[in-house]
Amino acid sequence: EPEVTQTPSHQVTQMGQEVILRCVPISNHLYFYWYRQILGQKVEFLVSFYNNEISEKSEIFDDQFSVERPDGSNFTLKIRSTKLEDSAMYFCASKSGKETQYFGPGTRLLVL
Amino acid sequence: AQSVTQLGSHVSVSEGALVLLRCNYSSSVPPYLFWYVQYPNQGLQLLLKYTTGATLVKGINGFEAEFKKSETSFHLTKPSAHMSDAAEYFCAVRYSSASKIIFGSGTRLSIRP
Repeated sequence: EPEVTQTPSHQVTQMGQEVILRCVPISNHLYFYWYRQILGQKVEFLVSFYNNEISEKSEIFDDQFSVERPDGSNFTLKIRSTKLEDSAMYFCASKSGKETQYFGPGTRLLVL
Repeated sequence: AQSVTQLGSHVSVSEGALVLLRCNYSSSVPPYLFWYVQYPNQGLQLLLKYTTGATLVKGINGFEAEFKKSETSFHLTKPSAHMSDAAEYFCAVRYSSASKIIFGSGTRLSIRP
C-alpha cells in the first residue's frame, strides 16, 4: 500500500540554524500539508499546498517557514532560523481530491 | 471558531471492558469527522472517518464511532479493550474537501490488566 514517507526521522540542530524537512507524498496525490505536534500537545496545522502554491496557512507559519515542491515527488518544509520553540514532531500529509489525508511517520526536530 | 473538544485527557479501562472516548465539535455545518490513533513514538494512523451516509462507522481494530448531529458528537467506542489499544487517540474535523484538519487535544487510553 502506498504511503507518505519523511526524512530524516530525527533531526537535532542548533538554535539559529536552517533545517529542511523532507516528505515524499503518495504519488498521485495533489494536496499536501504540514502539521506539527509539540511534545505532549495536540497536532496543529501549519500549511497546505496545492497547484504549486500555498492554499492556506496558520498563524504559526510565519516568515521563518517556507514550503516547496522542488520536483515531482518531494515536498519540503524549511525553517530558516530555528528557535527552541520549534522543537516538535513535524508531520507531512497528502491526499487526492476528496479522499482522506494520509500522514507520514513524522520527523522529530530538536532545537538546542 | 471551529474547534474539537475531547473530554478526558486520560481514560483508563480494564482489559475486556468497554472503551468510550468522547468527542464534540463546534459547527453549524456538519464537518467530515475522523479518529486517529498514535502509538508511542509513531505517526498518526486513521482509525475511521465519517463523511456522508450511515452515521455509525466502523474502523480498524474493532473501533466504531457514531455521528450524532443533534449532539454535535462523534464518540469512539470499542466493546472490549485489548492491551494493544493503549495509545493516544485524536478526534479531528475537516470542513471542506481541501481544508486543513483540526485536531482535538487527544485522549490517552490506558488498559489495565
